[in-house]
Amino acid sequence: GENVEQHPSTLSVQEGDSAVIKCTYSDSASNYFPWYKQELGKRPQLIIDIRSNVGEKKDQRIAVTLNKTAKHFSLHITETQPEDSAVYFCAAGPNTGNQFYFGTGTSLTVIP
Amino acid sequence: DSGVTQTPKHLITATGQRVTLRCSPRSGDLSVYWYQQSLDQGLQFLIQYYNGEERAKGNILERFSAQQFPDLHSELNLSSLELGDSALYFCASSVGQGGLNTEAFFGQGTRLTVV
Repeated sequence: GENVEQHPSTLSVQEGDSAVIKCTYSDSASNYFPWYKQELGKRPQLIIDIRSNVGEKKDQRIAVTLNKTAKHFSLHITETQPEDSAVYFCAAGPNTGNQFYFGTGTSLTVIP
Repeated sequence: DSGVTQTPKHLITATGQRVTLRCSPRSGDLSVYWYQQSLDQGLQFLIQYYNGEERAKGNILERFSAQQFPDLHSELNLSSLELGDSALYFCASSVGQGGLNTEAFFGQGTRLTVV
């Protein structure tokens, strides 16, 4: 099955700086890569996703890049704000709606 | 509100007991996923059902079982509970196979405490 590795496990940045979280996956058949944000005590919520037919996707301060050859994808958050503090999970899976495999999470702290 | 409903929100039970967690997916979603999140851990995939049939199995213990009913709600049964089973159990749903809209929407979770 798929194996998703995520780094770093914890990340602290100053408000206004950028944050980057990286994930690698093992199954070349995976072609859908969502990112979820989980605030303390709440459910994970999708913040952005990318499919294998594109290399980059942006949504305001959030961007995701995908390198299919190297089997890695990254989340970039620019101009970080305290409300960005949360645990971020990457995931990989097929387009068909089958199960997603999640990374182990990155706890991001934005220091005011 | 994601549209995915999980009950109960909290559950405290003793070791050796059996509990059932319930999940109602979003209207129109055929796939249901169950995940376990232990303290300081990521989301461990347990099992997926699609339109009533088991679709995929992850690291689900033999003491655990699940099913999806004709009305598409799902139940996760945990038996012979151990202290280590204490965790937050999430249910998620998505449109399912064949569609490109594969975003999974999560419920609020059931926090299980085994004492």
